[in-house]
Amino acid sequence: QKEVEQDPGPLSVPEGAIVSLNCTYSNSAFQYFMWYRQYSRKGPELLMYTYSSGNKEDGRFTAQVDKSSKYISLFIRDSQPSDSATYLCAMTLLNDMRFGAGTRLTVKP
Amino acid sequence: NAGVTQTPKFRILKIGQSMTLQCTQDMNHNYMYWYRQDPGMGLKLIYYSVGAGITDKGEVPNGYNVSRSTTEDFPLRLELAAPSQTSVYFCASSYSSTGNTEAFFGQGTRLTVV
Repeated sequence: QKEVEQDPGPLSVPEGAIVSLNCTYSNSAFQYFMWYRQYSRKGPELLMYTYSSGNKEDGRFTAQVDKSSKYISLFIRDSQPSDSATYLCAMTLLNDMRFGAGTRLTVKP
Repeated sequence: NAGVTQTPKFRILKIGQSMTLQCTQDMNHNYMYWYRQDPGMGLKLIYYSVGAGITDKGEVPNGYNVSRSTTEDFPLRLELAAPSQTSVYFCASSYSSTGNTEAFFGQGTRLTVV
């Protein structure tokens, strides 16, 4: 079993749709939970990070962490074509950041 | 702002050759990292450094070496290239541990070993 599981997709949605991206993990020692966005042929960029269970909102993006279920989610409201990218969940243990495989998202105009 | 700069962007190596992937950052970050990204596998940590003169192994260090003589530079060395090292390599830096601070990534180096 991988430490971090993420459905690689691809996921295709129409503009304006609500997108739900998810990851599960097996190591309960993970401390921080992050979502990175990676455009094609670019390095990942941090979108959001959370520490505790619950929701964190930033504009059209909401990150959700459920530590009891070892499950994290990223919701994108009113999705835009500019949101088309690969979304990577990540979680940290001391100085080691473990990534999911990434979900490739396409938002069609 | 240059951020994290990696060179080269692309490289083709023959089996058994060696090369150094360069990484430099201008943000005065103490922490630097090397990751490799393979299709469908996410990013895996190769080596990291918490400051000049200090390096440590990550999840997949075999076949690689690093050094950190200055705060700015963190080169990754491949001594005897193998086809299994075909990947996209990313260097990253952060102000402190990636736990609660953003890691800034370079544009990546696409390496093919034939």
